[in-house]
Amino acid sequence: GIQVEQSPPDLILQEGANSTLRCNFSDSVNNLQWFHQNPWGQLINLFYIPSGTKQNGRLSATTVATERYSLLYISSSQTTDSGVYFCAVRMTTDSWGKLQFGAGTQVVVTP
Amino acid sequence: SAVISQKPSRDICQRGTSLTIQCQVDSQVTMMFWYRQQPGQSLTLIATANQGSEATYESGFVIDKFPISRPNLTFSTLTVSNMSPEDSSIYLCSVVGWEGAPLEAFFGQGTRLTVV
Repeated sequence: GIQVEQSPPDLILQEGANSTLRCNFSDSVNNLQWFHQNPWGQLINLFYIPSGTKQNGRLSATTVATERYSLLYISSSQTTDSGVYFCAVRMTTDSWGKLQFGAGTQVVVTP
Repeated sequence: SAVISQKPSRDICQRGTSLTIQCQVDSQVTMMFWYRQQPGQSLTLIATANQGSEATYESGFVIDKFPISRPNLTFSTLTVSNMSPEDSSIYLCSVVGWEGAPLEAFFGQGTRLTVV
């Protein structure tokens, strides 16, 4: 099956810092989503981004499908940004909606 | 986004018993899925819940252990049967095909299960 690798596995930031999270995938995909899992376990949709660039407030994401990677940018980080960030993809050949998740990046933002 | 209600939000169960988790969506969706997240791990797909027919299970998951129902386009249940401590996980319902964003997957808030 498809391999989804996220880096770094852990990230500690001071409040106000910027950071970049990376997601590499091993096969052609037609869906890529970024999620934030908060400390209560809830999975929050950040971006649906199979290709191109999107921005939402302090967050932005870029997917280069031909080179099989996606980046999530966090600017001016806040303590509420803490949690685990997951990248999830669906292979072009896979059934509709079925997602393969990366291992996640654990982010801790300190005051 | 799609509004997904998952019940219960958490439970502590005795080994050998079964727990049924419910997932209710506020509008019709095309696809419904169940995922498991073991402690400190990522999400793994258990099965696709098919309306009116047997669920499609991923490798390593079987119907006897995780029976799933989907009687209509807005509701599904997952049962964790004959539980052991290894079943302690977060179980999440996911939907795709919500009319507001038909290609995007959305998740319920999860059910945190502890088996003692």
